[in-house]
Amino acid sequence: EAQVTQNPRYLITVTGKKLTVTCSQNMNHEYMSWYRQDPGLGLRQIYYSMNVEVTDKGDVPEGYKVSRKEKRNFPLILESPSPNQTSLYFCATGDRFHNEQFFGPGTRLTVL
Amino acid sequence: LAKTTQPISMDSYEGQEVNITCSHNNIATNDYITWYQQFPSQGPRFIIQGYKTKVTNEVASLFIPADRKSSTLSLPRVSLSDTAVYYCLVGYSSASKIIFGSGTRLSIRP
Repeated sequence: EAQVTQNPRYLITVTGKKLTVTCSQNMNHEYMSWYRQDPGLGLRQIYYSMNVEVTDKGDVPEGYKVSRKEKRNFPLILESPSPNQTSLYFCATGDRFHNEQFFGPGTRLTVL
Repeated sequence: LAKTTQPISMDSYEGQEVNITCSHNNIATNDYITWYQQFPSQGPRFIIQGYKTKVTNEVASLFIPADRKSSTLSLPRVSLSDTAVYYCLVGYSSASKIIFGSGTRLSIRP
């Protein structure tokens, strides 16, 4: 079954404590992306990756890092989380034309 | 990247046809038009995509006029389960940056 998985699904943490949200896909897609969704602001792209070792900034990259060492994985790293990073995060993947993206189930992050 | 404009919200009733229009005046020659549906606390789900004229699949139709400056998502005979937010996106396949607009919150009543 084609899947995009995210872990953890829910996380409560404190300011400054480094965390990683994992994203994995089994569809052999080149394109992967991270979004955050906040009330009234819709979905905003954080980072995207066109292929292994190729990443680029989206609209709101500040405070986040990503890496793409393998095709199937695209972790989102918050080196020093702050309360304004409290949000619902989605990972998405797409084929080389990525007009259709497949989204993960989301990770709800709360930073105290 | 072309900016899109959609109505913030729409209401309809079960069994009705719903049309949601998206304006994209700055659409580029290579841009495709894609619509997604999102339920609360879930990731968006692809509905339909088109380049020009009309596209139809099992859940929706997409109408695109000749000038391509707008598009209309048509949902036939909606049900309560169609209550969701609908997003219109415009872009080219190799344009890596994706911009979701504010979306249209569709509410279906019995």
